[in-house]
Amino acid sequence: GESVGLHLPTLSVQEGDNSIINCAYSNSASDYFIWYKQESGKGPQFIIDIRSNMDKRQGQRVTVLLNKTVKHLSLQIAATQPGDSAVYFCRGGGADGLTFGKGTHLIIQP
Amino acid sequence: SQTIHQWPATLVQPVGSPLSLECTVEGTSNPNLYWYRQAAGRGLQLLFYSVGIGQISSEVPQNLSASRPQDRQFILSSKKLLLSDSGFYLCAWSTREGRGYEQYFGPGTRLTVT
Repeated sequence: GESVGLHLPTLSVQEGDNSIINCAYSNSASDYFIWYKQESGKGPQFIIDIRSNMDKRQGQRVTVLLNKTVKHLSLQIAATQPGDSAVYFCRGGGADGLTFGKGTHLIIQP
Repeated sequence: SQTIHQWPATLVQPVGSPLSLECTVEGTSNPNLYWYRQAAGRGLQLLFYSVGIGQISSEVPQNLSASRPQDRQFILSSKKLLLSDSGFYLCAWSTREGRGYEQYFGPGTRLTVT
């Protein structure tokens, strides 16, 4: 897993623009990859997942892309809204994916 | 539906005092249970996880301990708190069946050690 001791990187976007949050993973054995959203002062909430045999999965206003060749995962949020402001974490699924990466803090500018 | 409870929501404790944080899950049985800690502006650090009553796995050596006296109860404890124990403590559960990787988090406890 990734280090969890570093300060969070930040992504600042204009309201209404699309956001792309990136994540690199190291464990190739994960069957699933998951994105969580953590709002200030709250616990993380599940957003969307993707199986390792898929390249893309779409949800409501969110799309996750998986590139297994370079071990890269991205979360795209369409038409970013103020309520999207949060820290976003990715992690691998299964018992060996219990540790979360350092996350990305998404800041929405009016 | 399943719910997860944590208490207290906030806690201020002096250095050297004991700690007991409780987490309970409703609406499911035989869950996997987890304790995470999140320092300000940082990611989630897994502290303990449990796959059953009395079964605790520790991920990080420290002055904290965990216990699971009942199937849906998970307790985080310390005999003597350190300043470095301050943080946001999150309990989570997951099912062992089907998509067991998906974790559901509680509201968290904000601990400040002074």
